[in-house]
Amino acid sequence: LAKTTQPISMDSYEGQEVNITCSHNNIATNDYITWYQQFPSQGPRFIIQGYKTKVTNEVASLFIPADRKSSTLSLPRVSLSDTAVYYCLVGGSSGNTGKLIFGQGTTLQVKP
Amino acid sequence: SAVISQKPSRDICQRGTSLTIQCQVDSQVTMMFWYRQQPGQSLTLIATANQGSEATYESGFVIDKFPISRPNLTFSTLTVSNMSPEDSSIYLCSVWDAGDTPLYTFGSGTRLTVV
Repeated sequence: LAKTTQPISMDSYEGQEVNITCSHNNIATNDYITWYQQFPSQGPRFIIQGYKTKVTNEVASLFIPADRKSSTLSLPRVSLSDTAVYYCLVGGSSGNTGKLIFGQGTTLQVKP
Repeated sequence: SAVISQKPSRDICQRGTSLTIQCQVDSQVTMMFWYRQQPGQSLTLIATANQGSEATYESGFVIDKFPISRPNLTFSTLTVSNMSPEDSSIYLCSVWDAGDTPLYTFGSGTRLTVV
């Protein structure tokens, strides 16, 4: 199972773009990269999922280099409500295990 | 993506008692998992709930303490047995389905407080 490494915490200000990078050096060929957001006392909420290159949806972009050993979640113009823990997770495309192992996540604090 | 209903959302229990948490999914899913999140910590995988057979537990978790059932492809239960205050955590159900986006979906969790 691929292990992920993220910064423990980040600070930002409202309106800024935030980029959170995750390292996953031993990602498997069939693994996808998925980012989740978690608020206190809630379950993780899906943000974005990708396999390679760039993926964009209405809330974020995900940049994945060709070697797929890292990925960067980009949150455009953050607001106070984006203060949360963000988890980068790798795995899940194959049916033999399917289980996700969580790292410590990145606590993002958005300031006014 | 799958929609998960997890019950109860929270409970306060006496030590020595047991609590059963239910996870209902709105569609058939390939795999179901149970996680624990202790206060201020990340999520820790407890076990994989296998349909029609015994769950597969991670290191540090045993069936006597956390019995799990999965009678079909849409439902699973986790029981926290003989509870102590150290079991106070959030317990989360998760599902995985091949080819879905996202591959993994999480329930809203059960906040358990043991007194």
